[in-house]
Amino acid sequence: QSVLTQPSSVSGAPGQRVTISCTGSNSNIGAGFDVHWYQQHPGAAPKVLIYANNNLPSGVPDRFSGSRSGTSASLAITGLQAEDEADYYCQSYDSTLSGSWVFGGGTKLTVL
Amino acid sequence: EVQLVESGGGLVQPGGSLRLSCSASGFTSSRYAIFWVRQAPGKGLEYVSGTTDNGGSTYYADSVKGRFTISRDYSKNTLYLQMSSLRAEDTAVYYCVKVTMTRGYQPFWYFDLWGRGTLVTVSS
Repeated sequence: QSVLTQPSSVSGAPGQRVTISCTGSNSNIGAGFDVHWYQQHPGAAPKVLIYANNNLPSGVPDRFSGSRSGTSASLAITGLQAEDEADYYCQSYDSTLSGSWVFGGGTKLTVL
Repeated sequence: EVQLVESGGGLVQPGGSLRLSCSASGFTSSRYAIFWVRQAPGKGLEYVSGTTDNGGSTYYADSVKGRFTISRDYSKNTLYLQMSSLRAEDTAVYYCVKVTMTRGYQPFWYFDLWGRGTLVTVSS
């Protein structure tokens, strides 16, 4: 059971918009800690997609965007493309016990 | 090219030990916190351990505390993860990751550069 909860899968047709939610609590996202998103293609290492809630690293298309509100965050992908088919993970920090960096369980995006 | 390269993975029996290495190139790793994140087969990502740029602070997930030790050799631009008392549940690909800080303290760190990973299999 992950500290951050994501849907196990989402899907969309090419050109559509999809969103992936990441639900936490008052000890992580709700505490104001940043949320980051990672993309992982099969057999590859993860790469950062969104950092600090809504910032795009250099080279990431602006079809990707992030937001945070309360104890949740979302990743939105517009103009869906075949190459977007991958696993997506949210990540934040949790202040319970000694503190820890935590990930969501991951969401498999299928492009129909 | 800026990259991290892990090595040292392999098959080890339960209760055994293994040392992973992470070699940095294309940047001065001593200026950054470096972490280990693992991924069990078919599963999600899990933070394992980390150390600050000067090695003054180290961090461990509860699942590995007391069994794993992180260290750095600045002369070799290399990071290590010494793993002992290994269990079947430690089986995973172990990624070495570089940290970037949006602010100076832990809740605002993220993983901006990942190595390709090294597979550790704990089995008899």
